[in-house]
Amino acid sequence: QSALTQPRSVSGSPGQSVTISCTGTSSDVGAHKYVSWYQQHPGKAPKVIIYDVSKRPSGVPDRFSGSKSGYTASLTISGLQAEDEADYYCCSYGGTYFTYAFGTGTEVTVL
Amino acid sequence: QVQLMQSGAEVKKPGASVKVSCKASGDTFNNHYIHWVRQAPGEGLEWMGLINPRDDSIDYAQKFQGRVTVTRDTSTSTIYLDLINLRSDDTAVYYCAREAAPAGRNFDSWGQGTLVTVSS
Repeated sequence: QSALTQPRSVSGSPGQSVTISCTGTSSDVGAHKYVSWYQQHPGKAPKVIIYDVSKRPSGVPDRFSGSKSGYTASLTISGLQAEDEADYYCCSYGGTYFTYAFGTGTEVTVL
Repeated sequence: QVQLMQSGAEVKKPGASVKVSCKASGDTFNNHYIHWVRQAPGEGLEWMGLINPRDDSIDYAQKFQGRVTVTRDTSTSTIYLDLINLRSDDTAVYYCAREAAPAGRNFDSWGQGTLVTVSS
């Protein structure tokens, strides 16, 4: 069983934008709208920041945005802030061997 | 308001089994699917399985079939994860997570995590 593919790390200066990709297959990311993104700070539980590809839960800043094209979903952080430094994981419903699959995770560093 | 409260850390020997609990608030237990997700040290998140506490229906990731059992106790609104035949690579933080309702397909609330260490 394969996790969804994400870049290992991305970085940017405060105020810049960064984009994280999440590549799956026709069975998961490409099959429906159920892609979500999670932010995880060290030693903490993950927190949902995007669901249904592009929707933001209440309280999540609008500098976080999501999109999808084909088998690849993306998370963009605009106006990067120091507190955005964390690990980010995508997650998709569906797949051949599991009901949910997480991405491999991306470490975001604010320079 | 804490929606999910997990049991404390465990240390187990290889070949043993572990049972991790996740106590849910009443609304969460009655209206949301509960999932289990684990994270090995320095590694990513891994989905293990889910239960619908309302009707006890379950689903497991194929990787864990035969080794994992998820159950619930309706009298205490508690969900349990049982993992048998523990190996060193089962060392991880185990999280219970609530699926957003209805059929939200994302996890909108998480327990604090339970560290399970497997070591001889």
